[in-house]
Amino acid sequence: QSVLTQPPSASGTPGQRVTISCSGSSSNIGSNIVNWYQQLPGTAPKLLIFGNHQRPSGIPERFSGSKSGTSASLAISGLQSEDEADYYCASWDESLKGVLFGGGTKLTVL
Amino acid sequence: QVQLVESGGGLVKPGGSLRLSCEASGFTFSDYYMSWIRQAPGKGLEWISYISTRGTAKYYADSVKGRFSISRDDSKNLLILQMNSLRAEDTAVYYCARAQIYDKWGQGILVTVSS
Repeated sequence: QSVLTQPPSASGTPGQRVTISCSGSSSNIGSNIVNWYQQLPGTAPKLLIFGNHQRPSGIPERFSGSKSGTSASLAISGLQSEDEADYYCASWDESLKGVLFGGGTKLTVL
Repeated sequence: QVQLVESGGGLVKPGGSLRLSCEASGFTFSDYYMSWIRQAPGKGLEWISYISTRGTAKYYADSVKGRFSISRDDSKNLLILQMNSLRAEDTAVYYCARAQIYDKWGQGILVTVSS
């Protein structure tokens, strides 16, 4: 069972804004940065957000990340059909001495 | 461009061993921490190991500790995962990725542990 908790599913219609939460603890999110990954069906994960809120080059501005205390969020504005994918948060855990991934959130664009 | 290409996967019997390789290109491999992450069929991502530059530090998930060993050959731009005492629950697609923000991933290689 993942120690980073994400909702298993989320949905929205084209153009809407959707947020995905990631809840952790003081040993992971509370003391380390959070990264977010997008995994399209049948492909390898892709880095979407790093360092809590930074976007790699090529990632549209409509993807944004934030962190507060022991929780983080990914927001997607102007939802598009190609955003339909699985999204994962990740953070280093000081107690486990390893990287934790959230359980993943399947985003459906209705 | 940055490329990570895994190899060495396949079908192995429970209790058997397998050696995965990840060949890196397009960046200075020796400057980066590297990692292995796996994904069981229909499941989420599971980090299993990472290795520091020069191989001076290695970390493992509890699920593979004592059975898997990570190493690197900077002269050949290779990341290695030696997997011993394999179990059915090790069946997964294995990805190598460039740590520590995992900005680059390989395409993945399937490991199936079954009798």
